[in-house]
Amino acid sequence: DGGITQSPKYLFRKEGQNVTLSCEQNLNHDAMYWYRQDPGQGLRLIYYSQIVNDFQKGDIAEGYSVSREKKESFPLTVTSAQKNPTAFYLCASSIPFRAMNTEAFFGQGTRLTVV
Amino acid sequence: AQSVTQLDSHVSVSEGTPVLLRCNYSSSYSPSLFWYVQHPNKGLQLLLKYTSAATLVKGINGFEAEFKKSETSFHLTKPSAHMSDAAEYFCVVSVSGGYNKLIFGAGTRLAVHP
Repeated sequence: DGGITQSPKYLFRKEGQNVTLSCEQNLNHDAMYWYRQDPGQGLRLIYYSQIVNDFQKGDIAEGYSVSREKKESFPLTVTSAQKNPTAFYLCASSIPFRAMNTEAFFGQGTRLTVV
Repeated sequence: AQSVTQLDSHVSVSEGTPVLLRCNYSSSYSPSLFWYVQHPNKGLQLLLKYTSAATLVKGINGFEAEFKKSETSFHLTKPSAHMSDAAEYFCVVSVSGGYNKLIFGAGTRLAVHP
């Protein structure tokens, strides 16, 4: 079945550590996104990528980094510079980036907790 | 600037009664609008979308929404709530003034009581 796979489902990080969240899609979508979700807030865009080897900062990129070496994969690294990383992280993808009226498809999320 | 306002953070209904989740948007461009549902610790699932065709949009699980340009609203309704409808619902606007950016409302948590 086509879809987006995020792993792990739960992740615990010690302060000062970098951690990487995995996102893989087999929908053949060009665009991929990372969102952060905090209680009582909507989703906020961290990074997005229109095409392989290209990505752009979203609204809250500080303390995060990404890569897009393959069309199917868009991993997110939460660095030690991110002061409040505990959150639910959602990866999404969509068909051609500049196409209008295109909805995004979401993975099941990764819950990151700093211990 | 584009924005989305979900007018209720929590809505509580009894099983079998109608559901109304309210959403207002602000957009300089002709928007595309979506409703997503999220069950606890899960990803978001698309319920329905408006893309400038019919103003009354039917979605999955008996939900529908009506686009009203004069009121800048896109309220989500369902005639009869089911226990399985208990979840968080997000109204989303897509603005293609440059790139396909999704702007999310803060969400409405729907509780359904027996």
